[in-house]
Amino acid sequence: DTAVSQTPKYLVTQMGNDKSIKCEQNLGHDTMYWYKQDSKKFLKIMFSYNNKELIINETVPNRFSPKSPDKAHLNLHINSLELGDSAVYFCASSLGGQGETQYFGPGTRLLVL
Amino acid sequence: SQQGEEDPQALSIQEGENATMNCSYKTSINNLQWYRQNSGRGLVHLILIRSNEREKHSGRLRVTLDTSKKSSSLLITASRAADTASYFCASSGSARQLTFGSGTQLTVLP
Repeated sequence: DTAVSQTPKYLVTQMGNDKSIKCEQNLGHDTMYWYKQDSKKFLKIMFSYNNKELIINETVPNRFSPKSPDKAHLNLHINSLELGDSAVYFCASSLGGQGETQYFGPGTRLLVL
Repeated sequence: SQQGEEDPQALSIQEGENATMNCSYKTSINNLQWYRQNSGRGLVHLILIRSNEREKHSGRLRVTLDTSKKSSSLLITASRAADTASYFCASSGSARQLTFGSGTQLTVLP
């Protein structure tokens, strides 16, 4: 059984389009995260939600908007996609939000043409 | 937040040898964690060491932490081809979020 799942696994789209990535965890965790991993494998946190509430919002463009309908789901919507948005996006979850062990999804590889 | 650094960036060894990776971080921490990422996959947690601990073992993994030098090392003993992956350290400080290092790409040759 998958603990943290993301869809889609691959996403190829044109510049200017709007797209969403979905994430679900079945671990009963309270905190969920979105990370961006660039081509050099740098992993940078974008957002963190604790029990459906935003607690970390790093400097990301307004075009990125997270939505958490319940504590098991954290979706990422991206408007007006740009070439520089091409990266691998990882969802993760942890039991609390105090720097504990995080469990990662398999990643969504986004390519903007 | 600032990225931590790891060295070496890449390490290639023969099966059966030991692999040592180092990590430096910038701020005071509550804990430091190591993760593995196989090619095309998500990160998998390996081990967590708290700021008041100096050494921790888990199977073939040994982690050390030197808070005075703001550094940690990960030792994998008797490496196997299946250990080939990228290894990341992640520090957790007062911001309660994980700051990841730049990663070490380990290749274990059969």
